Amino acid sequence: EAQVTQNPRYLITVTGKKLTVTCSQNMNHEYMSWYRQDPGLGLRQIYYSMNVEVTDKGDVPEGYKVSRKEKRNFPLILESPSPNQTSLYFCASSLSSGANYGYTFGSGTRLTVV
Amino acid sequence: AQSVTQLDSQVPVFEEAPVELRCNYSSSVSVYLFWYVQYPNQGLQLLLKYLSGSTLVKGINGFEAEFNKSQTSFHLRKPSVHISDTAEYFCAVRRNNNDMRFGAGTRLTVKP
Repeated sequence: EAQVTQNPRYLITVTGKKLTVTCSQNMNHEYMSWYRQDPGLGLRQIYYSMNVEVTDKGDVPEGYKVSRKEKRNFPLILESPSPNQTSLYFCASSLSSGANYGYTFGSGTRLTVV
Repeated sequence: AQSVTQLDSQVPVFEEAPVELRCNYSSSVSVYLFWYVQYPNQGLQLLLKYLSGSTLVKGINGFEAEFNKSQTSFHLRKPSVHISDTAEYFCAVRRNNNDMRFGAGTRLTVKP
């Protein structure tokens, strides 16, 4: 089944403790992206990647890192999480960066930083 | 830069009534338009998209949307809603770069 898989689904952590949220897609998609979803703000892009070893900042990149060493994986790294990073995170992929392609989304990771 | 405005944050409606969820966008260049649905505790799923051609686009679950270039709108409609349509709906625009911009979402609640 074609899908984007995120892990974990739920995570509670403490301020400053490094964490990684994994994202993997099995559709050979070139383009991958991370979003955070907050009430009243919709989805805001954190980082995106047009292909292996090609990443760039979205609208809200502060406090996050990403890497794209393989085409299928696009982990999101929080080196020193803070409470304002408590949010619902989604990974998404599309066949390419062309505008006529929609996204396939993962099921989300609900992160709470205390 | 493009932006997306969903004009209603919440839309309550009774079962079998028609519904319209409104979306306006701003962009200085041509864009492609999308509607996504998010059911509780799930990721977003693509409902429909407008790329070119006919301005009336049909999607899954009986939804359709109409692209209006002069009004820069892409409103989502369904003639008769079901309880199972209760969800959050996101309008999004994408132009010929990497950016998919989302609106803040409209929570549709269908009451019996």
